[in-house]
Amino acid sequence: SSELTQAPSVSVSPGQTARITCSGNGLPKQYAYWYQQKPGQAPVLVINKDTERPSGIPERFSGSSSGTTVTLTISGVQAEDEADYYCQSADSRGIHVFFGGGTKLTVL
Amino acid sequence: QVQLVESGGGVVQPGRSLRLSCAASGFTFSSYGIHWVRQAPGKGLEWVAVISYNGNDKFYADSVKGRFTISRDNSKKTLFLQMNSLTPEDTAVYYCAKGDSPGVSGGMEVWGQGTTVTVSS
Repeated sequence: SSELTQAPSVSVSPGQTARITCSGNGLPKQYAYWYQQKPGQAPVLVINKDTERPSGIPERFSGSSSGTTVTLTISGVQAEDEADYYCQSADSRGIHVFFGGGTKLTVL
Repeated sequence: QVQLVESGGGVVQPGRSLRLSCAASGFTFSSYGIHWVRQAPGKGLEWVAVISYNGNDKFYADSVKGRFTISRDNSKKTLFLQMNSLTPEDTAVYYCAKGDSPGVSGGMEVWGQGTTVTVSS
């Protein structure tokens, strides 16, 4: 299946932990990637291959995977983390890419 | 540093064509697959197409297959997207994004700032 499902919104207070999930039947077979997009800006890769944090991404960002669900966790959320977050994966052949619908993280 | 700069966007009438470019710098362009991704106003990200490092493999989203063509000129470190038979549904910001491998699969390590395409009569 090529569908990735994300909750439309998540809200947390500063300093708390935000968990953003992404579900899809293909996720056990294909890696997932997470992107952060702030208003008016291009997306930025924050998690690579389910769990890897690219250089320059703060340690409070982490990724995990369990079965058909992948999770982006932001520990100790800061105001600057308020953004839209998108998961991305691919079909079983790794050819066609698709994105989840995005989750808007609001820092209260 | 790694940089991608898109150009070629604008306002175009339905049914017409447009060619987008993406100029790369700061990395070995000829060693990486490159994607086009678009974002309609107020909407989420939609993958459009990908091309492998040498241009031999190209894949498209169903929504653009047969109308859009992705290509690259490694000597000029430039990616292209030829868009034909445009419809209002193609209105979006178009981003190019560097892949993390020579092939067509994987994530998108670095993104350009995007170029806006508006299809309207």
